[in-house]
Amino acid sequence: GENVEQHPSTLSVQEGDSAVIKCTYSDSASNYFPWYKQELGKGPQLIIDIRSNVGEKKDQRIAVTLNKTAKHFSLHITETQPEDSAVYFCAASIHSGTYKYIFGTGTRLKVLA
Amino acid sequence: NAGVTQTPKFQVLKTGQSMTLQCAQDMNHEYMSWYRQDPGMGLRLIHYSVGAGITDQGEVPNGYNVSRSTTEDFPLRLLSAAPSQTSVYFCASRPTGTGLGELFFGEGSRLTVL
Repeated sequence: GENVEQHPSTLSVQEGDSAVIKCTYSDSASNYFPWYKQELGKGPQLIIDIRSNVGEKKDQRIAVTLNKTAKHFSLHITETQPEDSAVYFCAASIHSGTYKYIFGTGTRLKVLA
Repeated sequence: NAGVTQTPKFQVLKTGQSMTLQCAQDMNHEYMSWYRQDPGMGLRLIHYSVGAGITDQGEVPNGYNVSRSTTEDFPLRLLSAAPSQTSVYFCASRPTGTGLGELFFGEGSRLTVL
């Protein structure tokens, strides 16, 4: 079946440094790639998404890049802050009657003060 | 505006018991879904619905039933709980039934099956 691989599973960075999380998807028909942030004890929340007709999207300190040829997409967080510490999930859309999202296995990001 | 509300937040069951996890949304969203979250496995889709009266299976549907009699509610039923169903369950909704868009998640229900 379709799947999304996410790396790394854990990531520790110093406050102010950048963090990069990478995902690879298998369905060449995928056309929507959201990223969710999950804080402790909460449900995931969308932080940024990108559609397949765009190669890069930026929102303040967060950016996502997409390489459709290689079926890779990445989340970039610059100038990390302690409040960025959380679990991050990537996802890719698959379509069969309706759009469903296949999620990666998550990355636990720790920003060290 | 409460968003997506899940109850209960915590539940302990014995093997073979049945229970229902409740999910309600007040955003008039067409699409509702249930995911389970297990360590190292991310979020896996159990069942979903694109509108009242319509449900379908996701990646891991075995052992779970759903129904969608109203737009607002999407309960998840475990008919005979097994230890393998120990997990954190999330309900999520989005505005469009068949289109793309942001998923809005509830805060989760932690289920332990002994």
